[in-house]
Amino acid sequence: RKEVEQDPGPFNVPEGATVAFNCTYSNSASQSFFWYRQDCRKEPKLLMSVYSSGNEDGRFTAQLNRASQYISLLIRDSKLSDSATYLCVVKRFNDMRFGAGTRLTVKP
Amino acid sequence: GAVVSQHPSRVICKSGTSVKIECRSLDFQATTMFWYRQFPKKSLMLMATSNEGSKATYEQGVEKDKFLINHASLTLSTLTVTSAHPEDSSFYICSARTSGWDEQFFGPGTRLTVL
Repeated sequence: RKEVEQDPGPFNVPEGATVAFNCTYSNSASQSFFWYRQDCRKEPKLLMSVYSSGNEDGRFTAQLNRASQYISLLIRDSKLSDSATYLCVVKRFNDMRFGAGTRLTVKP
Repeated sequence: GAVVSQHPSRVICKSGTSVKIECRSLDFQATTMFWYRQFPKKSLMLMATSNEGSKATYEQGVEKDKFLINHASLTLSTLTVTSAHPEDSSFYICSARTSGWDEQFFGPGTRLTVL
């Protein structure tokens, strides 16, 4: 079993749509959780950290359920510029583990 | 924000040659640097973790004699791919963090093509 598993995608949605990504992790001792965004042939960039209480940053909402070892990302009112691969990242001490990513394409 | 650079951004080499990739933290001291490899449409795979002044810790399955890592200063780590083969062609990305930071900052990556 992979340490971090994500929806395989791809997700193709129209502009303005709401889209949700899911992620599960296997190591219950994981300490920190993140969503990163990676554009084609570019490095990953931090989108947001994920907290148990849930957190929101503009159109993006992240949720963490430690009991279920489940992380989610919700994107509202999708923009063309949201097209990218979204990586679920789980960290324990110095060790970051990446999911394979979910590809999102937002179409006009 | 913290900036990490990598050089070169792209390299094409012949099979059997060695390639050195540099990773620099430009505006902070990187106590820990990480090297990742990413094959097309796959996730980032951690290759090794290096702490300044000490030997790198390699992930299982990564040959330390083939992928030489040096982290001699708080702002520079190098990855040398020795005797490169076509199967080593990949996107190599470094990241860096300093003590007390939860976040890692990624370099822009180096695309290696071995002919």
